Amino acid sequence: SAVISQKPSRDICQRGTSLTIQCQVDSQVTMMFWYRQQPGQSLTLIATANQGSEATYESGFVIDKFPISRPNLTFSTLTVSNMSPEDSSIYLCSVAGQGSGNTIYFGEGSWLTVV
Amino acid sequence: RKEVEQDPGPFNVPEGATVAFNCTYSNSASQSFFWYRQDCRKEPKLLMSVYSSGNEDGRFTAQLNRASQYISLLIRDSKLSDSATYLCAVQQGSTLGRLYFGRGTQLTVWP
Repeated sequence: SAVISQKPSRDICQRGTSLTIQCQVDSQVTMMFWYRQQPGQSLTLIATANQGSEATYESGFVIDKFPISRPNLTFSTLTVSNMSPEDSSIYLCSVAGQGSGNTIYFGEGSWLTVV
Repeated sequence: RKEVEQDPGPFNVPEGATVAFNCTYSNSASQSFFWYRQDCRKEPKLLMSVYSSGNEDGRFTAQLNRASQYISLLIRDSKLSDSATYLCAVQQGSTLGRLYFGRGTQLTVWP
């Protein structure tokens, strides 16, 4: 299994600012992903965090808005840039592979409110 | 058209009832299928994977129909603790963990 720690767990941010969310896993994993869950909505995949290279973004998401880093097999960050109220959401990290096996685990999420 | 469509409900059922959820997916190349449970203000947790042959885990049964591109979840003998949102998820292609989710179906079991 994999234990995922996400920080911050919640935050209130001013519009126009940026916030970086961290995802730390207790074992090496092959795959790391970032999802967004807007109020009352389901999870939407933002991007796949690739170790040592640029993330792969899904349609509708761009690197300038959501820069992602993954320096090693246990850690990734997602930055939400130039925030607006529409970015108020839960951001979730998920992992799969190697230490996680074939099971896909989710972090507890980072609750972001933009005012 | 969304990748994964799911009836959002809500479903309100008494304890002991049987309830079924369905989910359709648009990409015929989808390879793996899952049901997740999400409690209020919590992260999704895997309930069960869905296989072509169907699979059962206690009171929960999942089915996959590739020809019609839908998956289902059946909950028998509902418990109060089953109250949650149930999300279906589809993995397209071979990338483990790259999931597309339905909107989720909200279930409330009342005494």
